[in-house]
Amino acid sequence: QSALTQPASVSGSPGQSITISCTGTSSDVGAYNFVSWYQQHPGKAPKLIIYDVSNRPSGVPDRFSGSKSGNTASLTVSGLQAEDEADYFCVSYTGRTNLDVIFGGGTKLTVL
Amino acid sequence: EVQLVESGGGLVQPGGSLRLSCAASGFTFSDYWMNWVRQAPGKRLEWVANVNEDGSVKKYVDSVRGRFTISRDNAENSLYLEMNSLRVEDTAVYYCAKAKTAGTFDYWGQGTLATVSS
Repeated sequence: QSALTQPASVSGSPGQSITISCTGTSSDVGAYNFVSWYQQHPGKAPKLIIYDVSNRPSGVPDRFSGSKSGNTASLTVSGLQAEDEADYFCVSYTGRTNLDVIFGGGTKLTVL
Repeated sequence: EVQLVESGGGLVQPGGSLRLSCAASGFTFSDYWMNWVRQAPGKRLEWVANVNEDGSVKKYVDSVRGRFTISRDNAENSLYLEMNSLRVEDTAVYYCAKAKTAGTFDYWGQGTLATVSS
């Protein structure tokens, strides 16, 4: 497999929680605890928000959390805020020399 | 503050060449793997290549191996991507990205657009 599967879009109201899934295989997401999540606003560079499945870089609010079960990783955003509206994509390490990482297609989060 | 600034993109004909550069600052460049990631119009992001800390290990996605060469100059804090025999399907925004852990990019540049068209 050369790609991870994400829903095209999710939405929620301010204060609510949403979860974005990222499905891979036993050769990537299921094999390694090296799944990361990124936030990207239009015209901006991607920003790392979760790494190694569930770790948050410094400065990322604890409203963002990550988890993994089998071949599916998930990003949960709690207490939605207007500024959370953005594209989110997942990445998994594969351990393959000719395909170091694979990307999800991205999910558009709309804050209603 | 970590900064990655790409340059070198432009319009080139199929079969032509481009050399992308990425100027890094705000961190000890020689301590980290570095990557090139691209995004074609309307497509998902795609990892292109990476290089280890001292430039001795280089990995490529199959679609560019033999045509693209990644390199780095630790004295100049710079990352490069030499792209030869360019194809229409290489048209994309190319991002320079710093590695944090395996498969994790903690900083990205703003990208540079390479357009391959006749």
